[in-house]
Amino acid sequence: GEDVEQSLFLSVREGDSSVINCTYTDSSSTYLYWYKQEPGAGLQLLTYIFSNMDMKQDQRLTVLLNKKDKHLSLRIADTQTGDSAIYFCAESPTTSGTYKYIFGTGTRLKVLA
Amino acid sequence: SAVISQKPSRDICQRGTSLTIQCQVDSQVTMMFWYRQQPGQSLTLIATANQGSEATYESGFVIDKFPISRPNLTFSTLTVSNMSPEDSSIYLCSVGLLAGVNEQFFGPGTRLTVL
Repeated sequence: GEDVEQSLFLSVREGDSSVINCTYTDSSSTYLYWYKQEPGAGLQLLTYIFSNMDMKQDQRLTVLLNKKDKHLSLRIADTQTGDSAIYFCAESPTTSGTYKYIFGTGTRLKVLA
Repeated sequence: SAVISQKPSRDICQRGTSLTIQCQVDSQVTMMFWYRQQPGQSLTLIATANQGSEATYESGFVIDKFPISRPNLTFSTLTVSNMSPEDSSIYLCSVGLLAGVNEQFFGPGTRLTVL
């Protein structure tokens, strides 16, 4: 199947690190993505990782990719209240023959002041 | 990048009626997509809007229920037909830029409530 799984909720204190996990299914995806959805807004691309990389760091964001286990994670350092949102991982399987995305179930991050 | 607008931003509709949602992009793009996000759920792809030809629908979605138009490379519409309360969702359009990392840019969404 094409299920991309995430834990539903995560709650952290301001200043702590957040780790959001994702398990995907299709190893053909060239890129894997993390999107952020704030209340009442569309989705915004946060970061992505190329499938032949293990790690990518972008300011407070660190993406780790374990291709063997098809596991992707997003670490947010020094989490702020403005990081409260829903985070979606997404894959774009090249086997589909299209450029469509398959989104994960989404993780709602709540940052406590 | 691409800037995408959607109209309406929200609507409340009666059962059995239809609503057409518009998606406008500020530049010409090849790929346009329509997604549904049901309350508390993830995004599900409805269809790929193809310019000059019929949309490509995903499993579980049919043209009679969700007719799509794509008259040019900057505009598309999605109609939700014969609505029922189960159609209450956020509908989002997105565009894909094939160059680079295949990033998709999303519109702000249309929040639909069907009574």
